[in-house]
Amino acid sequence: NAGVTQTPKFQVLKTGQSMTLQCAQDMNHEYMSWYRQDPGMGLRLIHYSVGAGITDQGEVPNGYNVSRSTTEDFPLRLLSAAPSQTSVYFCASRPGQGLYGYTFGSGTRLTVV
Amino acid sequence: AQSVTQLDSQVPVFEEAPVELRCNYSSSVSVYLFWYVQYPNQGLQLLLKYLSGSTLVESINGFEAEFNKSQTSFHLRKPSVHISDTAEYFCAVSGGRFGNEKLTFGTGTRLTIIP
Repeated sequence: NAGVTQTPKFQVLKTGQSMTLQCAQDMNHEYMSWYRQDPGMGLRLIHYSVGAGITDQGEVPNGYNVSRSTTEDFPLRLLSAAPSQTSVYFCASRPGQGLYGYTFGSGTRLTVV
Repeated sequence: AQSVTQLDSQVPVFEEAPVELRCNYSSSVSVYLFWYVQYPNQGLQLLLKYLSGSTLVESINGFEAEFNKSQTSFHLRKPSVHISDTAEYFCAVSGGRFGNEKLTFGTGTRLTIIP
């Protein structure tokens, strides 16, 4: 059972480039979320999804797009990378009920130069 | 709106000494409370959670947390720490404007164990 798989683990982008961070889970979880982790700021929610075809914005959605065409996959797209998007990105998933904690992926460390 | 405050960004503790990591929350609705642990260069792992019922919850590796509604706190404690407990610990609350979809994290407390 792989859990939540994120790729790539590391990425360096130039300002203005676009890319997609991949996230896949094999636990048939309904809820999936993307967080970014920055020093001293904890984790902040970027976008989340409560099921295939349904997405919504979190606290810091600007500059990011998501889609959820299948239950398993929840990619995060950076449209035009900026240095302020340098961060560690975590994807997480959980079953439908809020009483279950999230399962996190191992993260993608992104640097924008 | 809900929020989580972790007052201590870093806590150094001698091995085998007790530790308390503080967490206070605010929310206008009933909450679920969580503690997550992040070991170096890894993702977050669920350590323990409070949903309802007994206010004292325990993890499998000796940590415990007590929900105190009047003080809106959910402090994490361990009576005797080990080197392997070195990690960053995050308190989180769910509920609020997004209902159970949104998990709000504190800024984290880095626990360093001194041999």
